[in-house]
Amino acid sequence: AQSVAQPEDQVNVAEGNPLTVKCTYSVSGNPYLFWYVQYPNRGLQFLLKYITGDNLVKGSYGFEAEFNKSQTSFHLKKPSALVSDSALYFCAVLGGGNKLTFGTGTQLKVEL
Amino acid sequence: GAVVSQHPSWVICKSGTSVKIECRSLDFQATTMFWYRQFPKQSLMLMATSNEGSKATYEQGVEKDKFLINHASLTLSTLTVTSAHPEDSSFYICSASPLVADTQYFGPGTRLTVL
Repeated sequence: AQSVAQPEDQVNVAEGNPLTVKCTYSVSGNPYLFWYVQYPNRGLQFLLKYITGDNLVKGSYGFEAEFNKSQTSFHLKKPSALVSDSALYFCAVLGGGNKLTFGTGTQLKVEL
Repeated sequence: GAVVSQHPSWVICKSGTSVKIECRSLDFQATTMFWYRQFPKQSLMLMATSNEGSKATYEQGVEKDKFLINHASLTLSTLTVTSAHPEDSSFYICSASPLVADTQYFGPGTRLTVL
């Protein structure tokens, strides 16, 4: 069975600094990986996905993620964080039956 | 594109009553829709997979007679919480995918509070 780990419950970063939210995965076969963001009392918004191709995936709102097969990681990054990026971020992997398995989420807090 | 709506956004009901939540894909057809439940500060728990024109597939531990799912068309799925109790209070989120093994797009969620 597939699984996703987000080792950090919370990440704090100053506005303007680069941010990284970590994700590692375990899956048999080729992974289909996703990042979503959730604002309070809202559903999830799709940020980006990796299916195949370039290891560096660019997504919405200036976010990008790097797929690293040898380290089974798919870390989310942004060169310059904004206060408005503060939210809950979920990494997910697609498995059988088109089902998504989510990580436990990482709360990002961007401070002035 | 790829917008999913949910209605209502929040609902408060008395214990023992039933509540219906609608999930619609507004600009695409979705053969498959998914229903999740999320507790405060926790991840999403998949409850069931809803396929248009067939019975839903429930995850282990989810009572199918309590959480009735109907997927009557390619743009609408409904979740009915029957005989709701306070422990059913939660944030319910649906998602839909335009293609198999593709991105799931999520609705804004429905906050259910059972008194």
